[in-house]
Amino acid sequence: EDQVTQSPEALRLQEGESSSLNCSYTVSGLRGLFWYRQDPGKGPEFLFTLYSAGEEKEKERLKATLTKKESFLHITAPKPEDSATYLCAVQGASAGGTSYGKLTFGQGTILTVHP
Amino acid sequence: DTGVSQDPRHKITKRGQNVTFRCDPISEHNRLYWYRQTLGQGPEFLTYFQNEAQLEKSRLLSDRFSAERPKGSFSTLEIQRTEQGDSAMYLCASSHPLVIGSSYNEQFFGPGTRLTVL
Repeated sequence: EDQVTQSPEALRLQEGESSSLNCSYTVSGLRGLFWYRQDPGKGPEFLFTLYSAGEEKEKERLKATLTKKESFLHITAPKPEDSATYLCAVQGASAGGTSYGKLTFGQGTILTVHP
Repeated sequence: DTGVSQDPRHKITKRGQNVTFRCDPISEHNRLYWYRQTLGQGPEFLTYFQNEAQLEKSRLLSDRFSAERPKGSFSTLEIQRTEQGDSAMYLCASSHPLVIGSSYNEQFFGPGTRLTVL
């Protein structure tokens, strides 16, 4: 069964203080690793897809990286508007090698950036 | 707005009542997913449709839950005889057909329906 663990559960940063969020995963046949941002009371907003170890993607102050066991979301010089819950999810191959694309999520990291 | 829409956004019901939620996916997406999210947790997969066919269901989906996508467009999720443990955010997501190495794996989520069972 696919599993995703995110750490830390909560992270408080000062504006401009760079840091990283961790996502550890076990999956049979990784099809993709996904990062989402979720604001309170809203649905998850897609950020990145990573497919293979060594891959990196960037968007504004966010950079996502992938190894065979972990993914990191680096946030550089964060601003208060970056405050949100960041969710990591994996998409693996189901039994028999097929994949219907369901996502297995971690519990999320709550990021708070103080001005 | 061409994103995923869900209706209603909030539903308060009494224990034992039936409720139905609707999801309208992005128009060109043939894959549709339902997830449930409780406070402090990530979303959990419930069920998946490809066009009108329901191809996968989670063990979380008890026999009180039923989902349909009759014409391969919008979908409904019904919960019968609601229980307090059903209180959660119900999220719908849609995606293009699964293509390895392409951008079509991503699932795009709606705003969710918040269910409160009293």
